[in-house]
Amino acid sequence: DQQVKQNSPSLSVQEGRISILNCDYTNSMFDYFLWYKKYPAEGPTFLISISSIKDKNEDGRFTVFLNKSAKHLSLHIVPSQPGDSAVYFCAARTINNDMRFGAGTRLTVKP
Amino acid sequence: ETGVTQSPTHLIKTRGQQVTLRCSSQSGHNTVSWYQQALGQGPQFIFQYYREEENGRGNFPPRFSGLQFPNYSSELNVNALELDDSALYLCAYRSAGIAKNIQYFGAGTRLSVL
Repeated sequence: DQQVKQNSPSLSVQEGRISILNCDYTNSMFDYFLWYKKYPAEGPTFLISISSIKDKNEDGRFTVFLNKSAKHLSLHIVPSQPGDSAVYFCAARTINNDMRFGAGTRLTVKP
Repeated sequence: ETGVTQSPTHLIKTRGQQVTLRCSSQSGHNTVSWYQQALGQGPQFIFQYYREEENGRGNFPPRFSGLQFPNYSSELNVNALELDDSALYLCAYRSAGIAKNIQYFGAGTRLSVL
């Protein structure tokens, strides 16, 4: 039962360009969405979040967009930096306050 | 640095054995969740503890059990280990107040079942 899907296992982007990571979900009861970043040998680290009552949230180089009608959210990183290279997980909060995670997208930013 | 500590970092067990994984937080947050992350997948929710009581559970069998102690540290116990239990096990503490939707993860315990 994969309620949160990240269909792109990997993404490669040139330094300075925009990175766009996508996430789709199936459960219309999700009311809060988060993006986590994970480096090797570390746990996931919170990056940015968005409530279902909003369609955009921005924090520095990171912007998350939510399209509720399409059950789709995306993370934009502008400009991308080599240090952004990591695995990015999309997560959605359930009514029980636990999280459902996507399988992750490995982002590689080339110098 | 999230202030969440998990031990041990790596563990090797054989099928049928039992294992206990540990997690603690420097922050004193009282809600802890455990996740299983298999290779190439995202974290899968196992269960959550709030003030020493289990208050949410994912689709995992009863041989996965947990405890939370008065100091909010936590244990994950897995009985009758199976080969498919090989994974990274993550714990996460939930922040409080206006940031209550954010979870802070430990680095995980890598369990290998042979």
